[in-house]
Amino acid sequence: DAGVTQSPTHLIKTRGQQVTLRCSPKSGHDTVSWYQQALGQGPQFIFQYYEEEERQRGNFPDRFSGHQFPNYSSELNVNALLLGDSALYLCASSPQGYEQYFGPGTRLTVT
Amino acid sequence: GNSVTQMEGPVTLSEEAFLTINCTYTATGYPSLFWYVQYPGEGLQLLLKATKADDKGSNKGFEATYRKETTSFHLEKGSVQVSDSAVYFCALSETSGTYKYIFGTGTRLKVLA
Repeated sequence: DAGVTQSPTHLIKTRGQQVTLRCSPKSGHDTVSWYQQALGQGPQFIFQYYEEEERQRGNFPDRFSGHQFPNYSSELNVNALLLGDSALYLCASSPQGYEQYFGPGTRLTVT
Repeated sequence: GNSVTQMEGPVTLSEEAFLTINCTYTATGYPSLFWYVQYPGEGLQLLLKATKADDKGSNKGFEATYRKETTSFHLEKGSVQVSDSAVYFCALSETSGTYKYIFGTGTRLKVLA
């Protein structure tokens, strides 16, 4: 049984560009949460998707948006990238929000 | 709001020393508590968890007990190894709604041979 997978592994973008990160949840999981982990910090909750709807959002600007597809996979989009958006982005899946299983993350570098 | 506080690192120990990393939390209700470990350049790995008061989570020689009265979940290991060098995160899962996780800032452990 494959765990949570994320793509790409690493990404380098320029300020002002847009980026899309992808996540495939663990089999049987219908809920996907996204977290941002800045260097030297703990992960911070961005938002959670369930039944293709954003269920809760953390303290992140509207430049951060997401989507969940009927097969439960999810995308995180960030527009107008800032240097401060450089971080490890973690996806976590769970059955209806219960215990979350984390993917390996996508490391985004904004130059 | 809910929060997690961890002792600041780095923590530097000699091999076979005893390890304690303190974690306290503030939460409404009865959250589940977790310890995650992160090796350099990698994602989070669940180390152990506890879902109710007085539960003890354990894995790979690490232990932590859910103490409701002191709102704590301290991580301990009797004899650390060089391979335990990593960053350790304490986290709680909120008890309603999205059950989102709230993490501490992490504690870096360095074990010297």
